[in-house]
Amino acid sequence: QVQLVESGGGVVQPGRSLRLSCVVSGFTFSNYGMHWVRQAPGKGLEWVAALSSDGTTTYYVDSVKGRFTISRDNSKNTLYLQMNSLRGEDTALYYCARDLRPWYLGEYWGQGTLVTVSS
Amino acid sequence: QSALTQPASVSGSPGQSITISCTGINNDVGDYRHVSWFQQHPGRAPKLIIYDATYRPSGASNRFSGSRSGNTAYLTISGLQSEDEAQYYCTAYTRMLWLFGGGTKLTVL
Repeated sequence: QVQLVESGGGVVQPGRSLRLSCVVSGFTFSNYGMHWVRQAPGKGLEWVAALSSDGTTTYYVDSVKGRFTISRDNSKNTLYLQMNSLRGEDTALYYCARDLRPWYLGEYWGQGTLVTVSS
Repeated sequence: QSALTQPASVSGSPGQSITISCTGINNDVGDYRHVSWFQQHPGRAPKLIIYDATYRPSGASNRFSGSRSGNTAYLTISGLQSEDEAQYYCTAYTRMLWLFGGGTKLTVL
């Protein structure tokens, strides 16, 4: 069955970096676009970034442009989110999610990895 | 502030039907595509229940239905059950980004 497993979260100081990973199984990873979506504690969902199936097209929410980079390694069935210059407002549970079809967000989701930005 | 507006809460009794709205701030219908609805129970990942405004993915209950009129999308849940008590989010793709509504808390009385 389809599985998405995020990792890499933790507690980090403002201004520092963190890299999240999402290892997938149960489907042909290279055929699907992928997303990162976050949820601050007690808050709603916020889309963060998207990446096409071939890794050539990326989109970001304005608040992370220039700080976050979404990427993928199709040979390792892994999606990444490199997060630099972290801020307190980046504190959230980060989910990876798979497209249903190109740019249709969220047929499958992982369980999330928690990032806490605090001094 | 979300660009998609949902009511903060709705409620209904078991067996009843409820409808949740999702309104875009832009009146141009063509600006919003790939409208979807997600259900999220506390401590769980979101689950896709409607895509393309009106279609149900495999595995989603047929008690969920979606519609769209102008710049507003609607999620209707019929035959309310206790397990439907959850947070519901709409989302849409527009201008190279995906927007989520603020979420609607459904309480089953």
